[in-house]
Amino acid sequence: EIVLTQSPATLSLSPGERASLSCRTSQTINSNTLAWYQQKPGQPPRLLMNDASNRATGIPARFSGSGSGTDFTLSISSLETEDFAVYYCQQRNSWPLTFGGGTKVEIK
Amino acid sequence: EVQLLESGGGLVQPGGSLRLSCAASGFTFSSYAMNWVRQAPGKGLEWVSSVSGSGDWTSYADSVKGRFTLSRDNSKNTVYLQMNSLRADDTAIYYCVKRGPESGGWGAFDYWGQGTPVTVS
Repeated sequence: EIVLTQSPATLSLSPGERASLSCRTSQTINSNTLAWYQQKPGQPPRLLMNDASNRATGIPARFSGSGSGTDFTLSISSLETEDFAVYYCQQRNSWPLTFGGGTKVEIK
Repeated sequence: EVQLLESGGGLVQPGGSLRLSCAASGFTFSSYAMNWVRQAPGKGLEWVSSVSGSGDWTSYADSVKGRFTLSRDNSKNTVYLQMNSLRADDTAIYYCVKRGPESGGWGAFDYWGQGTPVTVS
């Protein structure tokens, strides 16, 4: 099983600041198989990045992704109020499909 | 517009059974793998099971293997998750999720239902 470790667990930032979220995998994966999701309280997750670097349909350009091998990053260039949420990475490189534990981006 | 509507959740005693359903619309159902992902109260996301577009291939998390069965009826655009021998640690919101078009319908989880709660107590 591929284990995904997200850091930090909580990120306290102010609107307008840049956020950088890390996702490390326990094995090398194809960057085409790493996705990112956003979840707000009481809502289902929403797909942000189809793979390590491609935004899903309708996702604002302030969200970007990068990385390869075992190290991946989700960046939010300038936080908007609606971006404060929990973010999960997920791999579909191999079964079982696995998620990271999440990073909560909270208002400082 | 893609819609995924789950039903069948509820309160069940340990050892009991439930069958969840997910009615899909707004896309060519048989072309996409369908999945269940769950989230225990206050916890993260856990993949539960996937079924191919044709329904002839399934995969399960170790935590549910042998107890849960995922199937689909492409004539009804519906997937079913039969859950037997339920345990307290199966308590969660269960989300029905569609896979994206990448890799022949095995892409990222691009559409999620609102979820149905299952409580085992």
